[in-house]
Amino acid sequence: KQEVTQIPAALSVPEGENLVLNCSFTDSAIYNLQWFRQDPGKGLTSLLLIQSSQREQTSGRLNASLDKSSGRSTLYIAASQPGDSATYLCAVWLGNTDKLIFGTGTRLQVFP
Amino acid sequence: DAGVTQSPTHLIKTRGQQVTLRCSPKSGHDTVSWYQQALGQGPQFIFQYYEEEERQRGNFPDRFSGHQFPNYSSELNVNALLLGDSALYLCASSLLSFRAATQYFGPGTRLTVL
Repeated sequence: KQEVTQIPAALSVPEGENLVLNCSFTDSAIYNLQWFRQDPGKGLTSLLLIQSSQREQTSGRLNASLDKSSGRSTLYIAASQPGDSATYLCAVWLGNTDKLIFGTGTRLQVFP
Repeated sequence: DAGVTQSPTHLIKTRGQQVTLRCSPKSGHDTVSWYQQALGQGPQFIFQYYEEEERQRGNFPDRFSGHQFPNYSSELNVNALLLGDSALYLCASSLLSFRAATQYFGPGTRLTVL
């Protein structure tokens, strides 16, 4: 059974810091991995999608890496801003099903 | 281009009642998936609809049922509501032909069961 774990569960940092969010998964037979952002009480916004054949994806200040062999992904946020405050969720798409398996998220607070 | 829309935004029901949630997919998408997100947890997959058929189902009881219409919109029905059904219900749409492509999520429906 695929399990997705995110560490840390919560993070509070001052504005301007570079930070790393971690995601690990138990079954390496994934099709892709997605990082989402969720603001309180809201839906999910897709940030980055990494195909299983890729090692990383970049969008603006965000960079996500994927290491299937070790079952890990990291989301790097450069020069964090208060507007980055949200919960960040990673999810894997299994190779033999059509559904996303989500982690429990990392709640990020960036203070001025 | 409207994204994924869901209605209603909030809903309050009592135990034992029945509820229907609605979802309209992003324009051009033909597949709708439903997820349940309890407070402080990641979303859990309920089921997926394509061509008006349920293609896949997660570990949810038969009290949870759904429907997809010819225009690709979808409904989630929950019967005999329990307190534990209180959650944010999310709808996601995609193109089945682009398997494992980016899923687009709606804003969710917050269901409270008293």
